[in-house]
Amino acid sequence: ELKVEQNPLFLSMQEGKNYTIYCNYSTTSDRLYWYRQDPGKSLESLFVLLSNGAVKQEGRLMASLDTKARLSTLHITAAVHDLSATYFCAVDGWTGNQFYFGTGTSLTVIP
Amino acid sequence: KAGVTQTPRYLIKTRGQQVTLSCSPISGHRSVSWYQQTPGQGLQFLFEYFSETQRNKGNFPGRFSGRQFSNSRSEMNVSTLELGDSALYLCASHMGPNTEAFFGQGTRLTVV
Repeated sequence: ELKVEQNPLFLSMQEGKNYTIYCNYSTTSDRLYWYRQDPGKSLESLFVLLSNGAVKQEGRLMASLDTKARLSTLHITAAVHDLSATYFCAVDGWTGNQFYFGTGTSLTVIP
Repeated sequence: KAGVTQTPRYLIKTRGQQVTLSCSPISGHRSVSWYQQTPGQGLQFLFEYFSETQRNKGNFPGRFSGRQFSNSRSEMNVSTLELGDSALYLCASHMGPNTEAFFGQGTRLTVV
């Protein structure tokens, strides 16, 4: 079974700082997704990464994919309080729309 | 464009009862997948339907079942509810195979 690991599980950072969340997965896949979840809410799609070397940026967030290393990163630049949420990566298995989710990273940005 | 609609949003059931949850995907999307989210197990895949056919099934007991109708709406059913079934159940809508998932607001099920 495909395994997806995220680290760190918890991240507390000061406003204005930079940090990276890591997502490792166990078998070959060219499709990786990042989602955000606010407390009590559903999952909001952030990025869709569909090939090796893919890099996408939206505001203070940038995601990249290295399929050879089976690694994706979500980089946060100059964090602001509004970015506080739980972030999940998910890998698409080869058998259709079956996503394998990481454990999530709970991010708290402190003023 | 309407998003993914899940009903009901909240449910409280008693152990041993059964429950049916509903999901209406984005118009034009033909695939629906279901996930269970709990603090202990995280997000786990339940099953996926495409054109009324179950294509994938996660590692859940047979008490969990689902179906998809010709208009792509999907339902999932849990019979003989257990306390451990308390969770947020999320439905995702996909345009087709191996495509991005758009999630509904979820149904919060509490089993007492």
